[in-house]
Amino acid sequence: EAQVTQNPRYLITVTGKKLTVTCSQNMNHEYMSWYRQDPGLGLRQIYYSMNVEVTDKGDVPEGYKVSRKEKRNFPLILESPSPNQTSLYFCASSLEGVNGYTFGSGTRLTVV
Amino acid sequence: GNSVTQMEGPVTLSEEAFLTINCTYTATGYPSLFWYVQYPGEGLQLLLKATKADDKGSNKGFEATYRKETTSFHLEKGSVQVSDSAVYFCALSSNDYKLSFGAGTTVTVRA
Repeated sequence: EAQVTQNPRYLITVTGKKLTVTCSQNMNHEYMSWYRQDPGLGLRQIYYSMNVEVTDKGDVPEGYKVSRKEKRNFPLILESPSPNQTSLYFCASSLEGVNGYTFGSGTRLTVV
Repeated sequence: GNSVTQMEGPVTLSEEAFLTINCTYTATGYPSLFWYVQYPGEGLQLLLKATKADDKGSNKGFEATYRKETTSFHLEKGSVQVSDSAVYFCALSSNDYKLSFGAGTTVTVRA
């Protein structure tokens, strides 16, 4: 089944404790991206990647890192999480931008 | 830069009512336009899309027409069901592959 898989689905952590949210796709898509969803703000792009070893900042990159060492994986790294990073996070992938995107099921992160 | 404005919710309807969610956009060039749907507790699913002016996207009884002259992409459904209760997002994609989303509209359909 073609899909984007994120883990974990739920995560509660403390301020400053490094964490990684994994994202993997099995569709051989070139493009991958991370979004955060907050009430009243819709989804905002954090980082995106056009291909292996090619990443760029989205609209809200502060406090996040990503890497794209292999085509299928695009992990999101929070080196020192803060409470304002409490949010619902989605990973997405696409073969070509204009054809739309496949989203993962989301990761609900709470930073206390 | 690109931006999407969609009508604020929440919207509450009775079953079989007509649904319209307004969406307007600002973009450079010729963006592709999308409607995504998020059912409770789930991720986003692509509902429909249109890639050029006057295109009509349709799926599951929903329709939206790409209107370049009014920079709009309004979502419509003639007869909603309880199962259509969800959050609906309008979005656009320019040539650089970035998706820009509206704030989302929560729709609740009552039996």
